[in-house]
Amino acid sequence: AQSVTQLDSQVPVFEEAPVELRCNYSSSVSVYLFWYVQYPNQGLQLLLKYLSGSTLVKGINGFEAEFNKSQTSFHLRKPSVHISDTAEYFCAVSRWGAAGNKLTFGGGTRVLVKP
Amino acid sequence: EAQVTQNPRYLITVTGKKLTVTCSQNMNHEYMSWYRQDPGLGLRQIYYSMNVEVTDKGDVPEGYKVSRKEKRNFPLILESPSPNQTSLYFCASSLRLAGSSYEQYFGPGTRLTVT
Repeated sequence: AQSVTQLDSQVPVFEEAPVELRCNYSSSVSVYLFWYVQYPNQGLQLLLKYLSGSTLVKGINGFEAEFNKSQTSFHLRKPSVHISDTAEYFCAVSRWGAAGNKLTFGGGTRVLVKP
Repeated sequence: EAQVTQNPRYLITVTGKKLTVTCSQNMNHEYMSWYRQDPGLGLRQIYYSMNVEVTDKGDVPEGYKVSRKEKRNFPLILESPSPNQTSLYFCASSLRLAGSSYEQYFGPGTRLTVT
């Protein structure tokens, strides 16, 4: 079975500052990796995904993430945040060939962007 | 517009009163699933369906039932709700990507309170 740990439950950050959200996973087999964002009172929206190939993945809204297989990490970064980036962010993994395509989520990281 | 819809969006009920949360997708996806979201736990899969008449348990299936009689619909049934089922529920449907990966599209969520 796989598991996902998001190391920070809350991250306060000032507008236009950079932010990094940490995600570590454990799995005995290869996985696909995802970051989702949940804006207040909304559903989940896919930010970016790693399936294969380049370990640096670019997503929507200026976010990017880097897959590090040796450290089993998939940290999310943005060089300059906006007030509108205030949201909860979820890291998730899906095992290759998993029956039912289950996504295993981390506990989430709340980002609060301050002016 | 491609979307996953859920109804109702908000529901307050009493212990033991049967309820159904509907989920419908218009993308002709084969795969659908239900998750519940609880603070600090992220999202956990309740049930999933690979196709019509094919369903299976996820990580937290106790107290829930599902059915998949049509490809577009995947209702979640709580036969006898209890307060520990108070949660935010998300329906998702999946598009198959390269290899064996899927990209999941989430509905807007249903906030259920059981008193």
